Amino acid sequence: GAVVSQHPSRVICKSGTSVKIECRSLDFQATTMFWYRQFPKQSLMLMATSNEGSKATYEQGVEKDKFLINHASLTLSTLTVTSAHPEDSSFYICSARGQGGNTGELFFGEGSRLTVL
Amino acid sequence: AQSVTQLDSQVPVFEEAPVELRCNYSSSVSVYLFWYVQYPNQGLQLLLKYLSGSTLVESINGFEAEFNKSQTSFHLRKPSVHISDTAEYFCAVTPRNSGNTPLVFGKGTRLSVIA
Repeated sequence: GAVVSQHPSRVICKSGTSVKIECRSLDFQATTMFWYRQFPKQSLMLMATSNEGSKATYEQGVEKDKFLINHASLTLSTLTVTSAHPEDSSFYICSARGQGGNTGELFFGEGSRLTVL
Repeated sequence: AQSVTQLDSQVPVFEEAPVELRCNYSSSVSVYLFWYVQYPNQGLQLLLKYLSGSTLVESINGFEAEFNKSQTSFHLRKPSVHISDTAEYFCAVTPRNSGNTPLVFGKGTRLSVIA
């Protein structure tokens, strides 16, 4: 199956700093990527839809100025958590659907665990 | 809009016993259905999916799920579980020909296999 890779897998930062998480599709081109957030022992909550070459679409309640998403190429989307605070600590997972993919299946990255001190 | 209900948040089961993880969905349009598995501190892995055709779909590691349109269900089953099956299982749905539509997930069911 298709491979989606996230980096870093774990990151610890101080409150007030910014953190960038990368999501890459390794063996296919992804016109659309989705960013999810998962709190401990809870389900995945969609944060935003990232489309190559255009602005991301954010879900209601997600601050677009805090969670900056850039999908500059068909294989890379980045999520930057700006001025991170402890409440931003979470597991962030990206996923991608390939070009021409009509089966609905999403391929997921390994996830990035963010801890804000 | 779609929604997914996983009625059981936790399912403990003894090794080699059968298990069923329940999933019901709601949608006004035809959908694709998925089961994903998540091991601790990892991303999600696709377990199996229903797109069309036979309503019974199987995975390579012994899981199966049956699409029941009249009951809007997609329950996951395994006749004999192993310790290694301990994980979180998520049911998900998306409209057919979804394009840019994301998956909608249920809240997950934690399967704990006891030796």
